[in-house]
Amino acid sequence: NAGVTQTPKFRILKIGQSMTLQCAQDMNHNYMYWYRQDPGMGLKLIYYSVGAGITDKGEVPNGYNVSRSTTEDFPLRLELAAPSQTSVYFCASSYSALGPFNSPLHFGNGTRLTVT
Amino acid sequence: KQEVTQIPAALSVPEGENLVLNCSFTDSAIYNLQWFRQDPGKGLTSLLLIQSSQREQTSGRLNASLDKSSGRSTLYIAASQPGDSATYLCAVRQETSGSRLTFGEGTQLTVNP
Repeated sequence: NAGVTQTPKFRILKIGQSMTLQCAQDMNHNYMYWYRQDPGMGLKLIYYSVGAGITDKGEVPNGYNVSRSTTEDFPLRLELAAPSQTSVYFCASSYSALGPFNSPLHFGNGTRLTVT
Repeated sequence: KQEVTQIPAALSVPEGENLVLNCSFTDSAIYNLQWFRQDPGKGLTSLLLIQSSQREQTSGRLNASLDKSSGRSTLYIAASQPGDSATYLCAVRQETSGSRLTFGEGTQLTVNP
């Protein structure tokens, strides 16, 4: 198993541009998450999904959109990039029959995004 | 609002030493607590997950304890090795807002050969 795969690894955007961060998992996990990690701020939850077709907002959803058309894929869309979105983005997944928050998270290696 | 603090921010020890990393949280109404390690330029790897009803979890040379009432968790690493060098993060999940996982800022551990 490849686990959680994120692409691209690095990206530089200009203000106002848009892009999609890709995330795929091959572990048949039902739950998927997007986090951002900023220095001195820890990780913050952007969006999460409990299954195909179901998504919900996390702590910091503004400026982002997600979709979950399949169990495997959970792309994160930035529509109008702003400098405040400069960060490292991590996708994660988990599986639990007891609910989305009761099992260890598996993380991808991250996408380092710079908006200038 | 839940706040998670990890002390120390950085720790350097010689190989073979036993060590303890600390994590404290302000709201004891937690659902579970996880310890992760993060290597430079990589994602997080889950090490141990402790449910609120549990006191400790063990995996190999790692032992994590949880004292929910006092808002504390420790990660004990026995016989440290250079390969243990990484940043260790703890994260707590609240009872009332299950989706939110509040992370500490981590302890950067260096094990010197």
